Amino acid sequence: AQKITQTQPGMFVQEKEAVTLDCTYDTSDQSYGLFWYKQPSSGEMIFLIYQGSYDEQNATEGRYSLNFQKARKSANLVISASQLGDSAMYFCAMREGKTSYDKVIFGPGTSLSVIP
Amino acid sequence: GAGVSQSPRYKVAKRGQDVALRCDPISGHVSLFWYQQALGQGPEFLTYFQNEAQLDKSGLPSDRFFAERPEGSVSTLKIQRTQQEDSAVYLCASSLLGRSGGKYFGPGTRLTVL
Repeated sequence: AQKITQTQPGMFVQEKEAVTLDCTYDTSDQSYGLFWYKQPSSGEMIFLIYQGSYDEQNATEGRYSLNFQKARKSANLVISASQLGDSAMYFCAMREGKTSYDKVIFGPGTSLSVIP
Repeated sequence: GAGVSQSPRYKVAKRGQDVALRCDPISGHVSLFWYQQALGQGPEFLTYFQNEAQLDKSGLPSDRFFAERPEGSVSTLKIQRTQQEDSAVYLCASSLLGRSGGKYFGPGTRLTVL
């Protein structure tokens, strides 16, 4: 069964606008972690933001924020003030509580294109 | 630079050949991961090392895949008797020990098996 779902294969956003990338997850663990990564066309995965399941506040990192809705099992990424350099694939990922290291499961990804 | 490096960046192999993919993690990083990323998909976990110990190899798809990290730094992923379905990008990542957050990924090796 798919543990990470990203329902938007492709998204477009106007430069300087905000965009939300959807992610839902499935786990029976109480302790887990959620990640977002960016993968530009160069291929390198870049860590953006992390949310722990027990964190009460939504994570923020600069222009990135994670809209964590635990009851709905959703962890959407919000990018504010989009820039042309934000065009890339974005992957949502989850680490379940069973491992002591970051063994994460990645979603299928969303391709974001920022339009000038 | 001080990031994770991988070599070669591109590898073309004939079906049945053996290949070896190298990963140089960030100095001092205890944890090292290998992922396989098929075209148009998210990366899939292959194996995990903590220093030289391979603590998790549950993601290796078959016994043709073998990984090692003998001195706790450089790691090599070896694929024997390559098949067309092995064509993918192989990503290496390293991090400090623990579950504090994200890893640092290398640029990947794109393997094409003809």
